[in-house]
Amino acid sequence: EAQVTQNPRYLITVTGKKLTVTCSQNMNHEYMSWYRQDPGLGLRQIYYSMNVEVTDKGDVPEGYKVSRKEKRNFPLILESPSPNQTSLYFCASRKGSTEQFFGPGTRLTVL
Amino acid sequence: DQQVKQNSPSLSVQEGRISILNCDYTNSMFDYFLWYKKYPAEGPTFLISISSIKDKNEDGRFTVFLNKSAKHLSLHIVPSQPGDSAVYFCAARQGAGKSTFGDGTTLTVKP
Repeated sequence: EAQVTQNPRYLITVTGKKLTVTCSQNMNHEYMSWYRQDPGLGLRQIYYSMNVEVTDKGDVPEGYKVSRKEKRNFPLILESPSPNQTSLYFCASRKGSTEQFFGPGTRLTVL
Repeated sequence: DQQVKQNSPSLSVQEGRISILNCDYTNSMFDYFLWYKKYPAEGPTFLISISSIKDKNEDGRFTVFLNKSAKHLSLHIVPSQPGDSAVYFCAARQGAGKSTFGDGTTLTVKP
């Protein structure tokens, strides 16, 4: 089954404790991206990647890092999480100019 | 500056009637527009799209209209069904670049 998977689905952590949210897709898509969804603010792009080893900042990249060492994986790294990074995170992928496929979301709470 | 706006946070319609969701954009370089639907606890899923060379695209009960001169697009759902109750996001893109999303409209279809 074609899908985008994210782990973990739920995470509660404390300020400053490094964490990684994994994202994997099995559709051989070149393009992957991370979004955060906050009440009243829609989906805002954090980082995106056009292909392996090619990443770029989205609209709200501060406090996040990404890497794209393999085509299927695009982890999101929070080196020192802060409470303002409490949010619902979505990973997405697409091939060329087609629509995006989204993962199920990761709900992160930073205390 | 929000480049994609959905000015109605919510919309309530009766089952069987038409639902019309609206979206405005400011960037005239956008040439591809998409609608996504999101249920609670799930990631957004693609619904329908339209290229800027067209002014209408239909897929079953869903039709998207694009008015380039007004920088406006709308999604029509006819007839509306209770299962259509969800959050609808409008997104816009320039070529194969990143997508910019609106804040979403919560549609409630009453039986």
